[in-house]
Amino acid sequence: AQSVSQHNHHVILSEAASLELGCNYSYGGTVNLFWYVQYPGQHLQLLLKYFSGDPLVKGIKGFEAEFIKSKFSFNLRKPSVQWSDTAEYFCAVKSGGSYIPTFGRGTSLIVHP
Amino acid sequence: DGGITQSPKYLFRKEGQNVTLSCEQNLNHDAMYWYRQDPGQGLRLIYYSQIVNDFQKGDIAEGYSVSREKKESFPLTVTSAQKNPTAFYLCASSPLNPGTEDGYTFGSGTRLTVV
Repeated sequence: AQSVSQHNHHVILSEAASLELGCNYSYGGTVNLFWYVQYPGQHLQLLLKYFSGDPLVKGIKGFEAEFIKSKFSFNLRKPSVQWSDTAEYFCAVKSGGSYIPTFGRGTSLIVHP
Repeated sequence: DGGITQSPKYLFRKEGQNVTLSCEQNLNHDAMYWYRQDPGQGLRLIYYSQIVNDFQKGDIAEGYSVSREKKESFPLTVTSAQKNPTAFYLCASSPLNPGTEDGYTFGSGTRLTVV
């Protein structure tokens, strides 16, 4: 069974700091990769996704993620975070012909103004 | 607007009682899912369904039951057999084709508290 690891469980940053959240997965075949965000009191929203093509994916609100196949990674980045980025971030992987995603444990990000 | 509606938003249940959480979608998605979200544990899959009248157990199905009588609806029953039911429950849906460009659409969740 595939697994998804998010290395940082809690991240605390000041505004304007750069952000990188790690995500690694275990499946060796074709994958579809997602990052979701859950703002306080809101439902999960799709930040960005990778299906094929350019491994550097740009999402909403200035976020981007890079798919590195050799490292089984899909790290999320943002060059300069804002207080409004305070949220929980989830990485998800869908493998091969399956339609069912596996989620990581999530990373709680707090940005101080 | 298309989306997923979960109700109620908050639910309190006495120990020993069954309770049913509602999930309705108008996205014409074939697949529907129920997840449980606990702090530090992410989203864990309870049940999923790809077609009407068919559903499969996920990773933590014990103490839960579901039905899929209509494409739009996928209610979850938390039974008295669930040992630790207090949690945040999320319903999601998606197209079935793995090659789709769409991700997964989530409802706003139901917070269940057993008192």
